[in-house]
Amino acid sequence: AQKVTQAQTEISVVEKEDVTLDCVYETRDTTYYLFWYKQPPSGELVFLIRRNSFDEQNEISGRYSWNFQKSTSSFNFTITASQVVDSAVYFCALRGSNDYKLSFGAGTTVTVRA
Amino acid sequence: DTAVSQTPKYLVTQMGNDKSIKCEQNLGHDTMYWYKQDSKKFLKIMFSYNNKELIINETVPNRFSPKSPDKAHLNLHINSLELGDSAVYFCASSQVGRGSATDTQYFGPGTRLTVL
Repeated sequence: AQKVTQAQTEISVVEKEDVTLDCVYETRDTTYYLFWYKQPPSGELVFLIRRNSFDEQNEISGRYSWNFQKSTSSFNFTITASQVVDSAVYFCALRGSNDYKLSFGAGTTVTVRA
Repeated sequence: DTAVSQTPKYLVTQMGNDKSIKCEQNLGHDTMYWYKQDSKKFLKIMFSYNNKELIINETVPNRFSPKSPDKAHLNLHINSLELGDSAVYFCASSQVGRGSATDTQYFGPGTRLTVL
């Protein structure tokens, strides 16, 4: 069974601060896929980033970056220079190689204050 | 162009009624999903179809019945609605169901169901 834990329930920052969201996962699969999704106040679920367990490097995409540490089963996500529009609930999700479904964490609510 | 669309966006109904939620994707994907988001925002898979074939059927009351007329559509029919069915229901699609680097799931805007 897959399990995703997002220990941070809520984070509040002032605009332009960096925000790091923690995600710890459990899986027995040797190949798996990790995702971050954003749910703004309008309610839709927006795909942000994806990481395959066999990828070597961490990456940066605009103001988003992620830190995948296989040794600690963590997949942390950072928003650099946060903006008010980044206020949302952020979900970490995991899919095993033989799964169709995504297993989601409980979500972290990020509030960026002007 | 909307990639994954759902109708209606809001659905308010009385207990005991039967209702349907429709989902369509224009991404050419083979696999579609229904997820339920409860009041605490927890997301859980309900069903998945791959090329019109049911591949996931989680522990969901049999009052919920998915129907896939073609691979671009996955509808959710709910019989005898109960108060506990109130939630946001998300449809999603992916190119391939599993074992692929192109299987990112893209979600529709959600349908907020309120049962009174």
